[in-house]
Amino acid sequence: QLQLQESGPGLVKPSETLSLTCTVSGGSLSSNNYYWGWIRQPPGKGLEWIGDIFYRGSTYYNPSLKSRVTVSVDTSKNQFSLKLSSVTAADTAVYYCVTRIRYYDILVPWGQGTLVTVSS
Amino acid sequence: DIVMTQTPLSLSVTPGQPASISCKSSQSLLHSDGKTYLSWYLQKPGQSPQLLIYEVSNRFSGVPDKFSGSGSGTDFTLKISRVEAEDVGVYYCMQSRGITFGPGTKVEIK
Repeated sequence: QLQLQESGPGLVKPSETLSLTCTVSGGSLSSNNYYWGWIRQPPGKGLEWIGDIFYRGSTYYNPSLKSRVTVSVDTSKNQFSLKLSSVTAADTAVYYCVTRIRYYDILVPWGQGTLVTVSS
Repeated sequence: DIVMTQTPLSLSVTPGQPASISCKSSQSLLHSDGKTYLSWYLQKPGQSPQLLIYEVSNRFSGVPDKFSGSGSGTDFTLKISRVEAEDVGVYYCMQSRGITFGPGTKVEIK
């Protein structure tokens, strides 16, 4: 059974780059059945898809964030990562890593989420 | 981008009574492969969202049959036949052609 766990700094300064890692257990990042992605949720607000990646390297990004986002995979560590550059207070959110199941386009499972605050 | 809207945005339900949430998309969600990629998620307080329904009307593994989904094209509905305390949370619809979510419907118990 797939399980995902986010890790990374909880506080990032404005204009810097937010970096998070998701460790996958119970399955292989090299599966043809999954995309590996990120969703965020500002405090008290709704869900926003950031983007995801297929293990062979194809990436899919939210057009509104595309210029600042990079999602990458490290199959040797069974991890995938998010980088969001030039952050502002508007990027303060709980960041979830998620699995998108190919052909069904459903998000399951989700990580527990990690709060990232952008503040000086 | 496909914009998703939900009504109502909040719902207070007496235990044992039914509830219904509407979700509308700005474009048809019928894909060229014949499928409609509309799913429903429930985010319980303090938890990550969890999948309830996929492809409009298919219940995900372990989801009780009190949850049902219906609709086509641009109009979709999630129904809970008998609301219980454990159903409290925010319900989101999601479309998967360039993923976007509805704003969420907060369900609480009266």
